[in-house]
Amino acid sequence: DAGVTQSPTHLIKTRGQQVTLRCSPKSGHDTVSWYQQALGQGPQFIFQYYEEEERQRGNFPDRFSGHQYPNYSSELNVNALLLGDSALYLCASSLWRWNEQFFGPGTRLTVL
Amino acid sequence: SQQGEEDPQALSIQEGENATMNCSYKTSINNLQWYRQNSGRGLVHLILIRSNEREKHSGRLRVTLDTSKKSSSLLITASRAADTASYFCATEGGTSYGKLTFGQGTILTVHP
Repeated sequence: DAGVTQSPTHLIKTRGQQVTLRCSPKSGHDTVSWYQQALGQGPQFIFQYYEEEERQRGNFPDRFSGHQYPNYSSELNVNALLLGDSALYLCASSLWRWNEQFFGPGTRLTVL
Repeated sequence: SQQGEEDPQALSIQEGENATMNCSYKTSINNLQWYRQNSGRGLVHLILIRSNEREKHSGRLRVTLDTSKKSSSLLITASRAADTASYFCATEGGTSYGKLTFGQGTILTVHP
């Protein structure tokens, strides 16, 4: 049974570019959440998707957007990249309104 | 922004010793969870304690929760070198199912 998978593992972009990160949830899960983790910090909640809709959002600008597909996989898009967007981006999956979340290995984004 | 503080920021012990990490938070919660992260990769769920529980055990882990003081502690008994990792507490509150608010973490180093 595959756990949460994320792609790519690492990514290097330059300021102003756009990036798309992908996540496949654990089998049987229908909810995907995205987190940003800066170096030396705890993860910060970006948003959550369920039934292809954004259900909750953290304190992130509109440059951060997402999508969930009918197969429950999800994408995180970041436009107009800033140096401060450099971080580890974590995807977590769960059942809707269930407490335990399973995290993927993350995508390390570096913005130069 | 982070929900609260974790203490200590770093902890260095010998194999076989116990490790205690503390977490404080600011707002009312439904539950508090502890996660482990190895080398800046994905998070692994360790244990969840609900707001109406005071103590919970899982293997070598013991978690306490004091909602009057808005604090929790994680005790790892008989630590092993493989326990070396960063440990984070995360809270879930109100109707924000799946929106975890993390602390800044404690870096635990267990020397063989």
